[in-house]
Amino acid sequence: DIQMTQSPSSLSASVGDRVTITCRASQTISIYLNWYQHKAGQAPKFLIYAASSLQSGVPSRFSGSGSGTEFTLTISSLQPEDFATYYCQQSYNTPHTFGQGTKVEI
Amino acid sequence: QLQLQESGPRLVKPSETLSLTCSVSGDSISSSSYYWGWIRQPPGKGLEWIGYIYYSGTAYYNPSFNSRVAISIDTSQNQFSLSLHSVTAADTAVYYCSRHIREVRRKYAFDLWGRGTVVTVSS
Repeated sequence: DIQMTQSPSSLSASVGDRVTITCRASQTISIYLNWYQHKAGQAPKFLIYAASSLQSGVPSRFSGSGSGTEFTLTISSLQPEDFATYYCQQSYNTPHTFGQGTKVEI
Repeated sequence: QLQLQESGPRLVKPSETLSLTCSVSGDSISSSSYYWGWIRQPPGKGLEWIGYIYYSGTAYYNPSFNSRVAISIDTSQNQFSLSLHSVTAADTAVYYCSRHIREVRRKYAFDLWGRGTVVTVSS
């Protein structure tokens, strides 16, 4: 199975901050990397696919980059509604695997 | 608006079978564009893909479940179900149903999720 490792596991930030989360794959996965946002008690939300493509309806302050084994999710200007846990997930092959999550706190 | 809603027992005894159903509203489950599946999150751990199913009935599973799992689909009821056999305390988790895009390779992803349901395995 492909192991996905996120860093940091948590971070503290303020509204307006630029936030970057890193996701590393244990082997190359080309661009087949997705990002999700999860708030407690809610359905996880699909943000980015193919490493850098924004899902419809997702604010443009979210962006993704990377290929191969290293990827980043960036929030350019953190908004109050962005405080949540973020997960990466590889779609290169099955079994689909996720990172352990990065909790973005105030 | 498409919604997924999990339902089923919240408490299951060890060695028994965990059974959950996901009801889909707002769109037909008989679409060639998607798989329908399950993901779980044990307390304090990450997300784990369990498996998914196509409307034709073809299912794909995570090998880590060692044949304990079965996913079925009922297109007439617009719902699909999870059965996890011989459960232990390690199967205690939040279980999410989800839709997975299958038609566009670069967009293979879980694009819609339910809110999740907590299932506890305990005697």
